[in-house]
Amino acid sequence: DTEVTQTPKHLVMGMTNKKSLKCEQHMGHRAMYWYKQKAKKPPELMFVYSYEKLSINESVPSRFSPECPNSSLLNLHLHALQPEDSALYLCASSQVLQNTGELFFGEGSRLTVL
Amino acid sequence: AQTVTQSQPEMSVQEAETVTLSCTYDTSENNYYLFWYKQPPSRQMILVIRQEAYKQQNATENRFSVNFQKAAKSFSLKISDSQLGDTAMYFCAFMKHLWGIQGAQKLVFGQGTRLTINP
Repeated sequence: DTEVTQTPKHLVMGMTNKKSLKCEQHMGHRAMYWYKQKAKKPPELMFVYSYEKLSINESVPSRFSPECPNSSLLNLHLHALQPEDSALYLCASSQVLQNTGELFFGEGSRLTVL
Repeated sequence: AQTVTQSQPEMSVQEAETVTLSCTYDTSENNYYLFWYKQPPSRQMILVIRQEAYKQQNATENRFSVNFQKAAKSFSLKISDSQLGDTAMYFCAFMKHLWGIQGAQKLVFGQGTRLTINP
């Protein structure tokens, strides 16, 4: 299994809503990432988890709250978002030991904030 | 800080032709990885090819090959016998080690090149 599965694929929410994005992998990877990608732009790193601990927060606003409940699962909790937060949110995972440098990406969750 | 530059925002070629995508980068590191990722309209980022900086031999993967010039900090991607399925956004990326965090990495992406293969 070399897949990173993200749900939902599409999400529309209002600025007062609370929603969550989910990411799952069963490759035994112990590093997991959230990226944000605006249209026609490269992905931008948001968060990195290593061994289920938050390792990097790239100065992301607190209305985005990541969570890594176990080594296979990564969530991104969304609350009080702004229309400019509309984007494709990509999850990725990678090995830690014997690191080849490759990140495995999911298909993304396309978020629209009204 | 590391930077990656892709100078070709868009390219278009006919099917079966060969196309080369350019990438330059800037770093003070001596050991690093370079990547080409492909993002088709389906959105999923897929690794096309990887180059380890300490290896002088250029990486190849079937129809895909790179021209890695470490001194010039250049990393171009050549696609031979291009196919319609090669139509995608291509991102050049540099792997920066996150020192102190075992194994986790930060990919620094270029702005991308939108490649269209025409029938």
